[in-house]
Amino acid sequence: DQQVKQNSPSLSVQEGRISILNCDYTNSMFDYFLWYKKYPAEGPTFLISISSIKDKNEDGRFTVFLNKSAKHLSLHIVPSQPGDSAVYFCAASDLAGNNRKLIWGLGTSLAVNP
Amino acid sequence: DGGITQSPKYLFRKEGQNVTLSCEQNLNHDAMYWYRQDPGQGLRLIYYSQIVNDFQKGDIAEGYSVSREKKESFPLTVTSAQKNPTAFYLCASSIISTANEKLFFGSGTQLSVL
Repeated sequence: DQQVKQNSPSLSVQEGRISILNCDYTNSMFDYFLWYKKYPAEGPTFLISISSIKDKNEDGRFTVFLNKSAKHLSLHIVPSQPGDSAVYFCAASDLAGNNRKLIWGLGTSLAVNP
Repeated sequence: DGGITQSPKYLFRKEGQNVTLSCEQNLNHDAMYWYRQDPGQGLRLIYYSQIVNDFQKGDIAEGYSVSREKKESFPLTVTSAQKNPTAFYLCASSIISTANEKLFFGSGTQLSVL
C-alpha cells in the first residue's frame, strides 16, 4: 500500500507560470516531509522540506504547503523555468517515532515549456 | 568538495555473477543508504547503515549484501540470487538528527544484465 502518493505522473506548464505538484499521505505519524528533484541518470537533489509544526516553508521560487488535516502537501514553483523540467519526488518520515526510513512517492515528471 | 561518489557509472553483469557497486562519502555522515530505482517507480530502500559495522535490511534486501567497515564507505554487492538486477542504483548519506532527515545522493550506477 502506497503511504505517499503523487497522483499526477506528469505535468506540463508554460515558462513563467506557476507549477503546482501535489502529494498525499496516509500515515498520520509522518512529521517531516521533503521534496527532491531528479534529472535522468542522476541522483536526486534536495529542494525543500517542511516539519509538521509548520504549514508553509518558502525558499526562493519554491514554496511547500502542508495541510495536516487533509494529509496533503504541495510544492509551488513560481515562476517556472525550463531548467525546472525534471522528476519531483515527495518523501515523508516519522522522526518523532525515530523511524528514520523515508517513504517515497512515485514522482511527478514536470515539463516547463519555453 | 564534499560529496558522495558512486562508481562505476555503468556496470554490466553476466548470469550467475556477483558485482559490487562502490559508494564513498567525505561528508562525515553517520548514516548511509542504498536505493534502487526502476523506470516509472519511486525509490525503494535496499539496505541502510547508521553506524560503522552495523546495517539494517530495507524493503527489498533479498539478493543484495552490504558492508560498513569504514564510515566513509558502504559498498553494495548484487549477488546471483538477485534475479532482476537491472536498475538504477543510488547511494545516499545523511547526518543523524531528530530535526530532519535530509539525504544527499550520489550520481547513481546503472546496472544491466548481459
